[in-house]
Amino acid sequence: QVQLQESGPGLVKPSQTLSLTCTVSGGSISSGAKYWTWIRQHPGKGLEWIGYIYYTGSTYYNPSLKSRVTMSVDTSKNQFSLRLSSVTAADTAVYYCASEGPSHSGYDYWGQGTLVTVSS
Amino acid sequence: QSALTQPPSASGSPGQSVTISCTGTSSDVGGYNYVSWYQQHPGKAPKLMIYEVSERPSGVPDRFSGSKSGNTASLTVSGLQPEDEADYFCSSYAGSNNRVFGGGTKLTVL
Repeated sequence: QVQLQESGPGLVKPSQTLSLTCTVSGGSISSGAKYWTWIRQHPGKGLEWIGYIYYTGSTYYNPSLKSRVTMSVDTSKNQFSLRLSSVTAADTAVYYCASEGPSHSGYDYWGQGTLVTVSS
Repeated sequence: QSALTQPPSASGSPGQSVTISCTGTSSDVGGYNYVSWYQQHPGKAPKLMIYEVSERPSGVPDRFSGSKSGNTASLTVSGLQPEDEADYFCSSYAGSNNRVFGGGTKLTVL
C-alpha cells in the first residue's frame, strides 16, 4: 500500500519561498506508473491542481502558477518536492501531495495534507 | 483554465439517490473520458471514488456511479447512507497535460 507524507514549514513569510517535501513509502517513485502531484486547498474552498513531476524529472505546472512553481524529485530518497516562490497570503492553503495513476486515471493515493500559512 | 462548475450543495434522505453535476467545456470534460470524483470528509484528504468517468476503484461501494453527457459529468449516490455526507469534487484532464478541479459540492444526508 503506497503512503505519502508531506513535510515542511507551516509558516512562511510573505515574499519568501514555500518549500514542501513528499515522502513516498510502500512503493518506488521510480516505478514509472505514477505522476507525482501537488494539489492545494484554500481554507473552506475547492481543490487546485498545482502540477506534477514524473520520476524522470519531467514536469507540468498549472499555467496560473507556472512562473512561481518548481518541482523536483529525489529517487534515492523516494521523495518529490515543491517550491513556490514570492508567496502572498493568497497562497495560504492545505497542500497535498498525491499520485495520479497512468492514463489520467485519478489521484489514487494522497498525503494527509499540511497547512501552510503565509504571514509575517 | 477555469474551474469546473458544481452546485454548492445537494441533499437527500437516507435510502434516496442524489446526483451531483460537474460542468466543463469541450476542452476538458467534453473532450476526454478522464473525469474523476473525490469524497472528502472534514479534516481529511480526498478519496478517489470514480475514475475515467464511470470506473470504481476497488473498495468503493457500487452505490457510487459516474456518467457523462457532453460537457457535463455526473456522480450518482444511490441508497444514501449517513456516512456519505461529505464534500465531493470532480476533476478532469484538460489537455496539454493540464488538470482542473470543480469547486466542490457539499452533500447533506437529511
